[in-house]
Amino acid sequence: DTEVTQTPKHLVMGMTNKKSLKCEQHMGHRAMYWYKQKAKKPPELMFVYSYEKLSINESVPSRFSPECPNSSLLNLHLHALQPEDSALYLCASSQLPGHLTSGANVLTFGAGSRLTVL
Amino acid sequence: KQEVTQIPAALSVPEGENLVLNCSFTDSAIYNLQWFRQDPGKGLTSLLLIQSSQREQTSGRLNASLDKSSGRSTLYIAASQPGDSATYLCAVRPGENYGQNFVFGPGTRLSVLP
Repeated sequence: DTEVTQTPKHLVMGMTNKKSLKCEQHMGHRAMYWYKQKAKKPPELMFVYSYEKLSINESVPSRFSPECPNSSLLNLHLHALQPEDSALYLCASSQLPGHLTSGANVLTFGAGSRLTVL
Repeated sequence: KQEVTQIPAALSVPEGENLVLNCSFTDSAIYNLQWFRQDPGKGLTSLLLIQSSQREQTSGRLNASLDKSSGRSTLYIAASQPGDSATYLCAVRPGENYGQNFVFGPGTRLSVLP
């Protein structure tokens, strides 16, 4: 399995809703990432989990709450979002430098979750 | 702080042309560099990865080169096809901080006209 699977593909939510985005990979990657991408812009890093621990938080507002229940799963919990949070949310995974598995260095993305906040 | 730029920002070519996309980075202390393709509204698809110790990688009609000392990488696409139309992004994986802070360039939007 060489894929990163994201659900849902599309999500529409109001500013008072609570929803979650989910991401799953079975490549044995020990680093998982959340990126936010606006139209015609490159992905912006939000969070990184390494060995299931949060290692990077790029000063993301607390209305975004990441969770890594195990080495294969990554969630992004959403609460009280603003319309400007509407974007494509991308999950990715990779192995960490120095790991011994082959093909370990590629950053692999999911298809993304398109979020619209009304 | 690592910065990545890509030129041109957009490119339109007739089908069959060979073309070169450029990526520049400011800090040569990288672990690797990866080229991606992104279709509108979709995720990123990895095309080629070049380790810092390598000079080039090839896959089909694609060839990527890396000159770490000058902070440059190029993606060469041979015999372009309309299906190659997409945005192409390069990303640098830093050599420090366990290589987690991938830095992306802004991308080159390619249109290949039939």
